[in-house]
Amino acid sequence: EAQVTQNPRYLITVTGKKLTVTCSQNMNHEYMSWYRQDPGLGLRQIYYSMNVEVTDKGDVPEGYKVSRKEKRNFPLILESPSPNQTSLYFCAAVSSYNEQFFGPGTRLTVL
Amino acid sequence: AQSVTQLGSHVSVSEGALVLLRCNYSSSVPPYLFWYVQYPNQGLQLLLKYTTGATLVKGINGFEAEFKKSETSFHLTKPSAHMSDAAEYFCAVSYTNAGKSTFGDGTTLTVKP
Repeated sequence: EAQVTQNPRYLITVTGKKLTVTCSQNMNHEYMSWYRQDPGLGLRQIYYSMNVEVTDKGDVPEGYKVSRKEKRNFPLILESPSPNQTSLYFCAAVSSYNEQFFGPGTRLTVL
Repeated sequence: AQSVTQLGSHVSVSEGALVLLRCNYSSSVPPYLFWYVQYPNQGLQLLLKYTTGATLVKGINGFEAEFKKSETSFHLTKPSAHMSDAAEYFCAVSYTNAGKSTFGDGTTLTVKP
């Protein structure tokens, strides 16, 4: 089954403790993307990747890092999380026409 | 910069009534346009998309949308609402094939019995 997986699905952490949210796809898409979803703000793009080792900033990249060392994986890294990064995060594999195939989401709480 | 405006953060209709969710975008070049649906406590899934060709596009679950370049709009419609259509709907736009996309703020659809 073609899918995008994210781990963990739920995470509660404290300010400043580095964390990584993993994302993996088996759809063989070149592009991948990370979003955060906050009430009333829709989805905002954090980072996206056009290929291995090629990434670019989205609309809200501050406080986040990404890496793309393999085509199937696109982890999101929060080096020093803060409470304003409490959110619902979605990873997506993206087709050549920019159709997004979303993962199930990761709900992050930073205390 | 690309942008999307969804008019109405909440829309309520009666079961069997017409559903109309509005989406306008800013553009100086032909866009790719999408509607996604998010059911409670779930991820997003594609309803329909416009890339090129026919301006009236049909999607899943009886939804359709029409790309109107002169109005820079891509409104989503369904002739007869069903209780199972209650969800949040997002319009999205992109202009290149490089993965950059912009989503609207979303419209929550409530269907009353």
